[in-house]
Amino acid sequence: GQNIDQPTEMTATEGAIVQINCTYQTSGFNGLFWYQQHAGEAPTFLSYNVLDGLEEKGRFSSFLSRSKGYSYLLLKELQMKDSASYLCAAMDSNYQLIWGAGTKLIIKP
Amino acid sequence: GAVVSQHPSWVICKSGTSVKIECRSLDFQATTMFWYRQFPKQSLMLMATSNEGSKATYEQGVEKDKFLINHASLTLSTLTVTSAHPEDSSFYICSARGGSPRETQYFGPGTRLLVL
Repeated sequence: GQNIDQPTEMTATEGAIVQINCTYQTSGFNGLFWYQQHAGEAPTFLSYNVLDGLEEKGRFSSFLSRSKGYSYLLLKELQMKDSASYLCAAMDSNYQLIWGAGTKLIIKP
Repeated sequence: GAVVSQHPSWVICKSGTSVKIECRSLDFQATTMFWYRQFPKQSLMLMATSNEGSKATYEQGVEKDKFLINHASLTLSTLTVTSAHPEDSSFYICSARGGSPRETQYFGPGTRLLVL
């Protein structure tokens, strides 16, 4: 079956760095997406990885290892506004997104 | 990034009435649109996928006669919740994607439906 695993909740301190991990099992693979979802709002796109390696975009970076079925989202210089749920989604061979349940990130001052 | 709008953002209706939600891609042509539902503190649940000009593909367990989807143009899809009941109260979110299947899905702001 197809499956996405990510931690349910994480806590970090303002100004620190946090890494949110995601492992996936899909029928075929066409890339890995990360979305941010603030409470009560729709998801917003953060990143897309289809090749192995690290993609950096400002304070946020995303890493992919296809051989390990593993990705992480790295958030640096955490700000209070980064408190949100972070959704990992893998695209399978049918170009269907398989969604994780999301990781709720709590930022403390 | 691409912009997707949804209307209305909030709707309250009586049980038994029908509600139509519109999803528009404002600055790109959306070959494919997706409709999701999200209950409080739960993950996104894909309801259906629609391609412009063809019938929607519904996920298992989603009643196609209850959730009518129309994707008549490359910039507009509508979801009609027919004969809504309180258990249909949820956050409905659409997303849109361009011509290539690998393209990013961009989400609308969502519509909160409360059925009394």
